[in-house]
Amino acid sequence: DQQVKQNSPSLSVQEGRISILNCDYTNSMFDYFLWYKKYPAEGPTFLISISSIKDKNEDGRFTVFLNKSAKHLSLHIVPSQPGDSAVYFCAASHTWYSGGSNYKLTFGKGTLLTVNP
Amino acid sequence: DGGITQSPKYLFRKEGQNVTLSCEQNLNHDAMYWYRQDPGQGLRLIYYSQIVNDFQKGDIAEGYSVSREKKESFPLTVTSAQKNPTAFYLCASSPLGSHEAFFGQGTRLTVV
Repeated sequence: DQQVKQNSPSLSVQEGRISILNCDYTNSMFDYFLWYKKYPAEGPTFLISISSIKDKNEDGRFTVFLNKSAKHLSLHIVPSQPGDSAVYFCAASHTWYSGGSNYKLTFGKGTLLTVNP
Repeated sequence: DGGITQSPKYLFRKEGQNVTLSCEQNLNHDAMYWYRQDPGQGLRLIYYSQIVNDFQKGDIAEGYSVSREKKESFPLTVTSAQKNPTAFYLCASSPLGSHEAFFGQGTRLTVV
């Protein structure tokens, strides 16, 4: 049972336009959400995150929106650049240690973003 | 430089052999994780550990074993009981109280 879903396996956009990557989740226990970027044969790198107490977080060209009632989040990249071409993973986190001090991430299957020059 | 080191980057084994993947971190992180990536499957959690000598099964632990004898090391053994061991394996760590995990560069294991 997939708790984090990225329903679009791939997305292609033109350089300079907006890229919107979507993610849905089913587990109401998730309280923190992250986006990771991954190039082939490398480990994922952290991009941006959002707590469930917020509905928007912005960092430069990257903005993440969270709609808790719909259990949906999205990553907006504006403007898109060719170097943004990679696989983007949505991840959700909840506490697994009773002391609240550590967490485990559940990942979606990823969306391959291609930004064309 | 601080980081997470996985070795080797590529590993080949014959079917039926156990193989151990190395993961070392010098970030002084408490928690460590092992994930597996297959094409079209995203990252799936194999095992995780918060403290030395303690670890928990993830979503796909069958056929794998781990140890956490030192804070900086979290080796993963892929046993002959793992039915489909060929995959890209990623180790990660995170500091106390942080949701963000930092990943190593991965080990691609091919079993022939």
